Amino acid sequence: NAGVTQTPKFRILKIGQSMTLQCTQDMNHNYMYWYRQDPGMGLKLIYYSVGAGITDKGEVPNGYNVSRSTTEDFPLRLELAAPSQTSVYFCASSRRTSGTTYNEQFFGPGTRLTVL
Amino acid sequence: SQKIEQNSEALNIQEGKTATLTCNYTNYSPAYLQWYRQDPGRGPVFLLLIRENEKEKRKERLKVTFDTTLKQSLFHITASQPADSATYLCAFLSGNTPLVFGKGTRLSVIA
Repeated sequence: NAGVTQTPKFRILKIGQSMTLQCTQDMNHNYMYWYRQDPGMGLKLIYYSVGAGITDKGEVPNGYNVSRSTTEDFPLRLELAAPSQTSVYFCASSRRTSGTTYNEQFFGPGTRLTVL
Repeated sequence: SQKIEQNSEALNIQEGKTATLTCNYTNYSPAYLQWYRQDPGRGPVFLLLIRENEKEKRKERLKVTFDTTLKQSLFHITASQPADSATYLCAFLSGNTPLVFGKGTRLSVIA
């Protein structure tokens, strides 16, 4: 299993440009997440999904959009890039079933995004 | 508002000693908490999970405690090694809400 894969690894955008960060997992996990991590600020949840076709906002969703058309893929879209979106973005997945232990999250390697 | 604090940004210890990292929470009643390790340039990796009704959990040289009275979790690494140097993140979960992460503590084990 490859686990959670993210592309690209690095990207530089100009203000106002758009891009999609790709995330794929091959573990058949139902839950998927997008986080951003700024220096010294920990992980902030942007959006998450509990299954195909279902998404929900996290703590910092403004400026981002997501979709979940398949179990495996959970792309994150930036429509109008701003310098405040300069960060490292992590995708994660987990298996969660009702009435059982909340299982650990598996993280991808991250995408380092700079907006100039 | 809910708040999670890891007591220090950085902790330096000598090789062979026990490292103890602290995670405190306020305005929150977590049902589970998890600890992750993060190396520079990489995503976090899960280490341990402990439930609110468990006092202590161990895995090899790692030990986690969960004190709901003090609203605190302690993470211990015994016989620390330079390879244990990393950032350690705690994360809490309550009900159906997603995990909430602390900012992390950067541990440096000096040979």
